[in-house]
Parts: sequence; structure tokens; C-alpha cells
Amino acid sequence: AQSVTQLGSHVSVSEGALVLLRCNYSSSVPPYLFWYVQYPNQGLQLLLKYTTGATLVKGINGFEAEFKKSETSFHLTKPSAHMSDAAEYFCAVRRMDTGRRALTFGSGTRLQVQP
Amino acid sequence: DGGITQSPKYLFRKEGQNVTLSCEQNLNHDAMYWYRQDPGQGLRLIYYSQIVNDFQKGDIAEGYSVSREKKESFPLTVTSAQKNPTAFYLCASSPGSTGELFFGEGSRLTVL
Repeated sequence: AQSVTQLGSHVSVSEGALVLLRCNYSSSVPPYLFWYVQYPNQGLQLLLKYTTGATLVKGINGFEAEFKKSETSFHLTKPSAHMSDAAEYFCAVRRMDTGRRALTFGSGTRLQVQP
Repeated sequence: DGGITQSPKYLFRKEGQNVTLSCEQNLNHDAMYWYRQDPGQGLRLIYYSQIVNDFQKGDIAEGYSVSREKKESFPLTVTSAQKNPTAFYLCASSPGSTGELFFGEGSRLTVL
């Protein structure tokens, strides 16, 4: 089974609109969860992470995500999109119920921001 | 500045040739990783190493080899056995405590 699923390979929003990128995970125990952003031909940059504690996590550039154990979700949101937010976003999990100490990534969501 | 350096950024190779991608980090991280990125498939784990002189296969290790002789370095060799090597390769390192990865800028390999 896929460890992490991102719904929607492409999302388009208008500048100033809400951004919502969806991520669901599968794990028998709560994993560590991450959101990364990638600009063309570059590496990935960490936006935010959830390990333990507060389930609402704030990251850089105004993004935040909420860990919902009952829904096995970790959706990424931003209240108001900016043109500079156009990029590809990846959700990743580190499962704590296996011995593998590496992140598994979703297939990515490309965000377009329309003027 | 501390970070991860990958080289070369762009590489072209003929079929049947082995190529080695370099990854160096000065973050003093114990763990290092190689991922392959293809359009629409996200990142897939090739190999990872938690400590010097030890490494584990990831999900798509066939046709690749690595070494970890120094803490700072984790080179990846793409062998001629890799059937479809054209891709964007990303190296990362981690301090290990939370699993957060720090990425290099990537190397784009094209097989002619």
C-alpha cells in the first residue's frame, strides 16, 4: 500500500485565493510528516514538519498544515496565494512502524497561481 | 556556508557507460540519501546510508551502486545495467533525530 497519497497532480488558484493541497498517509502508528516545495530544476526545500505535539504546524512563507489522526491526513493550506507560490509541492512521511529510516514521498502537486 | 553540493549539475552519457554523481555535505550529518525524480512519480529512494561504511538499498536500487567511505561523501554510480537512467537525481542528508532531509540542487542525467 502507498505510504502517502497526494490528491490532485495539478491545482490552479487565483492570486489571493485559498491554497489547499491534500495529503493522506497510511501507517499503523502516527508517522512524522513533512511538506517540501520544489522550484524548477532545483532541490527540495522544507516548508514544515510534524513530529509530535501540536497538530497545527506553521511553516515558512505563510503555509500551515494540520495533522488529523482520525482522517490520516496532513493537508497544506495558505490563506492567500501569491504568484511566487507557483511550484511543485511534495508531502512526505517517515513511518515509525517500520525499521526504514528514510522518507517516502508522494507523487507531488503542481500549484499554478493565476493573476 | 553549510550545505550539500551535488556535481555535475548536468551530465550526458552514452548508453553502456557508467557514470558517477558526486554528493558532498558539510553539515556533519550522519545519514545520507539518494533519490531519483521522474515527472509525475515524485521521488523514489535509491540508496541510503545511516553511518560510514554502511548503506541500504531503497526501492529502486537495481542498476545503481554507492559507497560511504567518508561521512561527508556519498557518491552514486549509475551503471550500464540501469535500463532507463535518464532522470533528475537528488542527494540529501539528515541529522537523524526527526528524519528531516536537507537536499542538494540535483544532477540531471541524460542518456543519449
